[in-house]
Amino acid sequence: SQELEQSPQSLIVQEGKNLTINCTSSKTLYGLYWYKQKYGEGLIFLMMLQKGGEEKSHEKITAKLDEKKQQSSLHITASQPSHAGIYLCGADPIQGAQKLVFGQGTRLTINP
Amino acid sequence: KAGVTQTPRYLIKTRGQQVTLSCSPISGHRSVSWYQQTPGQGLQFLFEYFSETQRNKGNFPGRFSGRQFSNSRSEMNVSTLELGDSALYLCASSWRGQGAGETQYFGPGTRLLVL
Repeated sequence: SQELEQSPQSLIVQEGKNLTINCTSSKTLYGLYWYKQKYGEGLIFLMMLQKGGEEKSHEKITAKLDEKKQQSSLHITASQPSHAGIYLCGADPIQGAQKLVFGQGTRLTINP
Repeated sequence: KAGVTQTPRYLIKTRGQQVTLSCSPISGHRSVSWYQQTPGQGLQFLFEYFSETQRNKGNFPGRFSGRQFSNSRSEMNVSTLELGDSALYLCASSWRGQGAGETQYFGPGTRLLVL
């Protein structure tokens, strides 16, 4: 079965600093999703990547999927308190099946 | 467009009881998936419904069941509750549930506490 490993598990950064979260898959990724979760709440969709080498940006968040489609990174530029939360990567383990597998999450804290 | 809604938001039950959670998908979405989130196991897929039929199922015991109605609303039921069923239950909807390339949108979740 497919497994997703996120690193780091937690991250504390100073406001205004850049940061990167990685998501590595044990198998080829057919679709890679990034979500953000505030503690105890639902998941907010950030971005979806499908093609090897694909890169998407939204405001100060950029996500990339490597050429071999087994690793993705999420980069936040000039972090703000609003970026704090838990970031989760999710993947479709089987092409055509709607059953996401998730990483364990990265807890991001922004210090003022 | 309204997002995915889940009711109730919080629930306290005792061991042995049963519970029913409800999910209303985004208008027009026909696929509804359920996930369980716990500190130890993280987010795990329970099952997915499309056009009132269970199409995919995760590795959970038969005590966990669900159904979908003709308006795409879905319910999940847990019978004979155990302490380990305490979790945040998340519902997600998508248009056709075709997997890669089709985003699932999540509701706020129902937090279940089993005493």
